Amino acid sequence: GQQVMQIPQYQHVQEGEDFTTYCNSSTTLSNIQWYKQRPGGHPVFLIQLVKSGEVKKQKRLTFQFGEAKKNSSLHITATQTTDVGTYFCAGPILSQGGSEKLVFGKGTKLTVNP
Amino acid sequence: ETGVTQSPTHLIKTRGQQVTLRCSSQSGHNTVSWYQQALGQGPQFIFQYYREEENGRGNFPPRFSGLQFPNYSSELNVNALELDDSALYLCASSFGGQLYEQYFGPGTRLTVT
Repeated sequence: GQQVMQIPQYQHVQEGEDFTTYCNSSTTLSNIQWYKQRPGGHPVFLIQLVKSGEVKKQKRLTFQFGEAKKNSSLHITATQTTDVGTYFCAGPILSQGGSEKLVFGKGTKLTVNP
Repeated sequence: ETGVTQSPTHLIKTRGQQVTLRCSSQSGHNTVSWYQQALGQGPQFIFQYYREEENGRGNFPPRFSGLQFPNYSSELNVNALELDDSALYLCASSFGGQLYEQYFGPGTRLTVT
């Protein structure tokens, strides 16, 4: 079925190294959203991308939406221990009943060694 | 601005029982979505409520049902609980019946024994 795939599943970096997680959809998305979930916490909305080829930055975080609106990436420059958590992408996909459902990837769990 | 709240925080139920989880949306938001998150997985969309009606549904059986009230708060009801229903149940609020910018509550941890 239609799904959103995310790689890698896990990423361990040394503090100061860069980190990238990739998201791919089997179908064109109207938008892609990124969330961060700290251990024991709940997902927190980071950003939404809507336009083909869109790039948005939040301090050390850079988000991209592919030209075909089927893939996206999140890049963190010079990771810090505060970046630890699981990063999820999510996109609205048509369900069988004709309405949309928000489908999350399985997430990339980032650990940072100080 | 009041954030999304959920109750209870934790719950233990026995297989076959029924459970009701509650959610109050963030002030200014009129749409509530419910998600199930199993350990190590991403949230799975159960359904969304907008204007007190179900506005979209994921791949969950009919024993998962919900309500939205005029003040935009919501309930998730699960009947005939199964062991696999053990998970973190997350409520998220947003605006306008769209699947944009979900603001999540802290979740209810349900354990079915």
